[in-house]
Amino acid sequence: QKEVEQDPGPLSVPEGAIVSLNCTYSNSAFQYFMWYRQYSRKGPELLMYTYSSGNKEDGRFTAQVDKSSKYISLFIRDSQPSDSATYLCAMSGESGGSYIPTFGRGTSLIVHP
Amino acid sequence: DGGITQSPKYLFRKEGQNVTLSCEQNLNHDAMYWYRQDPGQGLRLIYYSQIVNDFQKGDIAEGYSVSREKKESFPLTVTSAQKNPTAFYLCASSMKTQPQHFGDGTRLSIL
Repeated sequence: QKEVEQDPGPLSVPEGAIVSLNCTYSNSAFQYFMWYRQYSRKGPELLMYTYSSGNKEDGRFTAQVDKSSKYISLFIRDSQPSDSATYLCAMSGESGGSYIPTFGRGTSLIVHP
Repeated sequence: DGGITQSPKYLFRKEGQNVTLSCEQNLNHDAMYWYRQDPGQGLRLIYYSQIVNDFQKGDIAEGYSVSREKKESFPLTVTSAQKNPTAFYLCASSMKTQPQHFGDGTRLSIL
């Protein structure tokens, strides 16, 4: 079993839909949770960063962490064609004094007009 | 503007040749990282460095080498021992518990 599982998609939705992206993990030491957006031929861009459990909202984006279920989500409201990209989850915890994140494989999202 | 600069954007390697990918950051981050990204495989850690003059192997270090002589710079050399070097290479930097910031990558291909 991989440490971080993420469905690769693709996930295709109409413009204006609410998108739900998810990751599960097995390492209970993870404390920091991140979502990145990656456009084709570009580097990942940090979207959301949360510590421990709970919700965090930033504009159309909401990140949720449920440590008891080892499950994190990213919700995108009023999705736009410009949201079409690959979304990577990442998480980290202390290991040997460092906090190297473990990444999911990414979910490809297509928002069609 | 603070950020991470990777160069070149595209690079071609001939058989038996070593090539070096550049990564420079002006974010004053202590830690720097190199990842390889292949289609459908996510990000795989090659090397990382938490302080100047020190670095550690990641999950797929074979065929690669790095140096960290300056805080701002973390070049990656893809040696001729790396038999399948075609990939998208990403450099990142961070402070200890903070999330990583990425450059825009170098795409390496074989001639």
